[in-house]
Amino acid sequence: DQQVKQNSPSLSVQEGRISILNCDYTNSMFDYFLWYKKYPAEGPTFLISISSIKDKNEDGRFTVFLNKSAKHLSLHIVPSQPGDSAVYFCAASGTYGGSQGNLIFGKGTKLSVKP
Amino acid sequence: DGGITQSPKYLFRKEGQNVTLSCEQNLNHDAMYWYRQDPGQGLRLIYYSQIVNDFQKGDIAEGYSVSREKKESFPLTVTSAQKNPTAFYLCASRPTSGATRDTQYFGPGTRLTVL
Repeated sequence: DQQVKQNSPSLSVQEGRISILNCDYTNSMFDYFLWYKKYPAEGPTFLISISSIKDKNEDGRFTVFLNKSAKHLSLHIVPSQPGDSAVYFCAASGTYGGSQGNLIFGKGTKLSVKP
Repeated sequence: DGGITQSPKYLFRKEGQNVTLSCEQNLNHDAMYWYRQDPGQGLRLIYYSQIVNDFQKGDIAEGYSVSREKKESFPLTVTSAQKNPTAFYLCASRPTSGATRDTQYFGPGTRLTVL
């Protein structure tokens, strides 16, 4: 049973437009959410995070929105650039049991930004 | 220059042989993790260690073993009992205090192919 779901395996966007990547979660104990960017045959790179006490966090072209009632978060990239083409993973963690700090990952969304 | 190193980048082994993957970090992080990524899948947790001389099984620990004798090092052994060892293996670490305590940082990965 997937606790973190990225329902779109792929997304294609024109350069300069907005990219919106979505993520849903089921466990209400999650209180910290992260987005990672990954190129093939490389390790994921941390992009941006958000705590459950916030509903928005912004860092340059990247903004993450959290809707706790809907158990949904999204990553907005504006404007999208060809170098943004990669697989984006959503991850969640929570302080429960002995697993504090452990991340649960979605399966990823492959973003293609076309020139 | 702080970071996480994994060696080698590519590893080939014959079926039935044990193999050890290296992970070293000089970030002074207490917690370290091993994940496995398969095509079209998210990252799945194999083992984690919150402190030296202690480690816990993750979701898919069968066929793997680890040790944590030093803070900087968290080697993973893929044993002959692992039924599908061919995969991309990722090591990560995180601090357990401070503003970034919930963020894991990843190494470049090791691609293991069992022939």
